[in-house]
Amino acid sequence: KNQVEQSPQSLIILEGKNCTLQCNYTVSPFSNLRWYKQDTGRGPVSLTIMTFSENTKSNGRYTATLDADTKQSSLHITASQLSDSASYICVVSGGSYIPTFGRGTSLIVHP
Amino acid sequence: KAGVTQTPRYLIKTRGQQVTLSCSPISGHRSVSWYQQTPGQGLQFLFEYFSETQRNKGNFPGRFSGRQFSNSRSEMNVSTLELGDSALYLCASSPRQDNTEAFFGQGTRLTVV
Repeated sequence: KNQVEQSPQSLIILEGKNCTLQCNYTVSPFSNLRWYKQDTGRGPVSLTIMTFSENTKSNGRYTATLDADTKQSSLHITASQLSDSASYICVVSGGSYIPTFGRGTSLIVHP
Repeated sequence: KAGVTQTPRYLIKTRGQQVTLSCSPISGHRSVSWYQQTPGQGLQFLFEYFSETQRNKGNFPGRFSGRQFSNSRSEMNVSTLELGDSALYLCASSPRQDNTEAFFGQGTRLTVV
């Protein structure tokens, strides 16, 4: 069964600090892995998209890594801001591009 | 460029009723997919349409159905509503079927009482 596990479930950090979110998956075959940011009450917004051949992708202060051998990905947020408070969702698409979603990591950034 | 538009934003229905949700994709996008988001299950894939054809379907009962029109607008219908159908229903559009560039709408918050 295809699964995507994210950790931690929730995280509280101080403004200006860095943090790393984890995503482990068992989806096979693998097509792509995406990280989304979802603010409360809004739809998810894409941060990064990686295919099998890519092992790192950056979008401003967000950097995602992918290790296709160990089926792990991480999202690193640098110099966090209050606006980074949101849920971060890892999505892995397999054959036929059907997506499997992680439960998300809820990040709270305190001033 | 207008984003993905979902209507209505909020909806309250009673058990046993049916409901139709609407999604207007970004202009030029031919792929529309639907998702259910609940606190207990997170985001789950419902189905995906490309050029008026259902290409993929998630693991949901037959009460959940959808369709796509020639202008790429899509509707999803839920019949015989149950309390457990209360959720945020999200629609996403993409220019390609592989959904690597999926843009989400704001969602429709459905409450079943």
